[in-house]
Amino acid sequence: SQQGEEDPQALSIQEGENATMNCSYKTSINNLQWYRQNSGRGLVHLILIRSNEREKHSGRLRVTLDTSKKSSSLLITASRAADTASYFCRAGNMLTFGGGTRLMVKP
Amino acid sequence: GAGVSQSPSNKVTEKGKDVELRCDPISGHTALYWYRQSLGQGLEFLIYFQGNSAPDKSGLPSDRFSAERTGGSVSTLTIQRTQQEDSAVYLCASRGGGAEKLFFGSGTQLSVL
Repeated sequence: SQQGEEDPQALSIQEGENATMNCSYKTSINNLQWYRQNSGRGLVHLILIRSNEREKHSGRLRVTLDTSKKSSSLLITASRAADTASYFCRAGNMLTFGGGTRLMVKP
Repeated sequence: GAGVSQSPSNKVTEKGKDVELRCDPISGHTALYWYRQSLGQGLEFLIYFQGNSAPDKSGLPSDRFSAERTGGSVSTLTIQRTQQEDSAVYLCASRGGGAEKLFFGSGTQLSVL
């Protein structure tokens, strides 16, 4: 069974708005990673949060991790058209990814 | 190299032909992964190599698919007797020992006519 599942499946917002996407997983992990994929090609690592951290920031990205609920969220603030992409989470060392969240930011 | 390199970037083949897809991981990375992604879909895990251990082949969809990793570096994914449903982007990723982050190549777009 897949470790990470993202929701929503798709999200459409206006430029300047914030985008929030969520990831749920099933077993204990020591870290969770978020990746971005543009144009159906290679994924790029965005940010990693460890199990002993509740929140982490990187530029316009804010990630939270709730190990009691086995969930994480990725917040992109002040979104830009260039943020349009698919976003995936990876829980621990899992081999599988979820279906991702397809984010569209309209200019 | 500086990143994970995959070749070819695009491959068009006829149904029934065999294809080989190549992945050059980041030098020194002990872990190597292959994924498949159909249009508009998520990533489908295919196979995982870790050092000298036996690969995890649990994601290979049929016996037409095989992969090898020579010398702990370059990997080749082979699809025999290709079918139209094999059309997808094939992604390779590598990871350094003890690290968590995956580094992906740009993928090979396979089209089976």
